[in-house]
Amino acid sequence: DTGVSQDPRHKITKRGQNVTFRCDPISEHNRLYWYRQTLGQGPEFLTYFQNEAQLEKSRLLSDRFSAERPKGSFSTLEIQRTEQGDSAMYLCASSNTMGQRDYGYTFGSGTRLTVV
Amino acid sequence: DAKTTQPPSMDCAEGRAANLPCNHSTISGNEYVYWYRQIHSQGPQYIIHGLKNNETNEMASLIITEDRKSSTLILPHATLRDTAVYYCIVMLTSYDKVIFGPGTSLSVIP
Repeated sequence: DTGVSQDPRHKITKRGQNVTFRCDPISEHNRLYWYRQTLGQGPEFLTYFQNEAQLEKSRLLSDRFSAERPKGSFSTLEIQRTEQGDSAMYLCASSNTMGQRDYGYTFGSGTRLTVV
Repeated sequence: DAKTTQPPSMDCAEGRAANLPCNHSTISGNEYVYWYRQIHSQGPQYIIHGLKNNETNEMASLIITEDRKSSTLILPHATLRDTAVYYCIVMLTSYDKVIFGPGTSLSVIP
């Protein structure tokens, strides 16, 4: 297992288009998190899953955003009707609540979205 | 909101120890102190965490004051690759959602 994978690494889209990002967590990790990061700021929490259940959503996650984690494996984050303010790095992380040792979150390298 | 306060930036000479402070005066008794770092254009990376005892691993040492209101992350021999933003975070467990503050931007200077 090579860690958390995110696809694509970069995405340029026109305003108003829909985009979907994918995250493949570490296989034995049962929790999966999505964050958004704009230039010069720390990552902001969006939502997280335990297995396939979405347990919390930030108020930052407007109704244009939806996240899924079917079968508790990979996850997708979709943004509908993109706006220029959606331009950011979207980060995925996973963690294991069942492990004996706490290694914190493992983050992917992110998907950089540019809305033009 | 983040429960920690960190200086916005610091410099450190290559090969010297980098000591990054963090204040968390409102920490509760069962909350841990976690440190992550983010190298430019990469996702954050877990470094170390602790409750009240000092901790050391292959990356760094964490010194927590006896009253637990502050801590220091120590990189014993800083290299240019340690140039990054360092985040100090207080949370109950690593399975809670991590709330990042602005962190400390560490520049290691040759």
